Amino acid sequence: DADVTQTPRNRITKTGKRIMLECSQTKGHDRMYWYRQDPGLGLRLIYYSFDVKDINKGEISDGYSVSRQAQAKFSLSLESAIPNQTALYFCATSLTGSTDTQYFGPGTRLTVL
Amino acid sequence: GESVGLHLPTLSVQEGDNSIINCAYSNSASDYFIWYKQESGKGPQFIIDIRSNMDKRQGQRVTVLLNKTVKHLSLQIAATQPGDSAVYFCAERRSKGGKLIFGQGTELSVKP
Repeated sequence: DADVTQTPRNRITKTGKRIMLECSQTKGHDRMYWYRQDPGLGLRLIYYSFDVKDINKGEISDGYSVSRQAQAKFSLSLESAIPNQTALYFCATSLTGSTDTQYFGPGTRLTVL
Repeated sequence: GESVGLHLPTLSVQEGDNSIINCAYSNSASDYFIWYKQESGKGPQFIIDIRSNMDKRQGQRVTVLLNKTVKHLSLQIAATQPGDSAVYFCAERRSKGGKLIFGQGTELSVKP
């Protein structure tokens, strides 16, 4: 969905490096999410935010941190990347309401050597 | 050590046939369900949703069926086309305003 953008789309880095993945949206949604996807597995929630001042841990938050700088921006950081953080990372947004349907960005493929 | 990824369930169908993709969910309190389609190299894309007070909902060429008795969700795709080849995920919401829980996914392959 072009309304949710992620940068970079691909990144190769080395163990121990700090990495930041950015997500921006023009959908006007208040809720934003970061997921990780590994081969053969479903999406696993890392962190989510329901508003600018709200940050919540998901099921696999260890080794990650997030920042919600504005309603439209939600960044994910790996403070010291390790090889098992090699994965596809997706940002998603939703609008508080009766369904909370989430809309996903195109993903960032991260490789940690 | 070497990591080995899990193999997704796969469904192979002939072009023009109907496809049925199944999903079992675990929480009887879940009130909302979504099907997503993920093509190679792209993010998941919303297809269709259904609330727990319904048992069927139709979209364009797709139908979602919900059986709350056995906690089962299915996605039916009519006249399957090569462009339907993708991984399909179901997701459930366990409480209003709650997070979505995603299934493992099923890979649909359409043979010409």
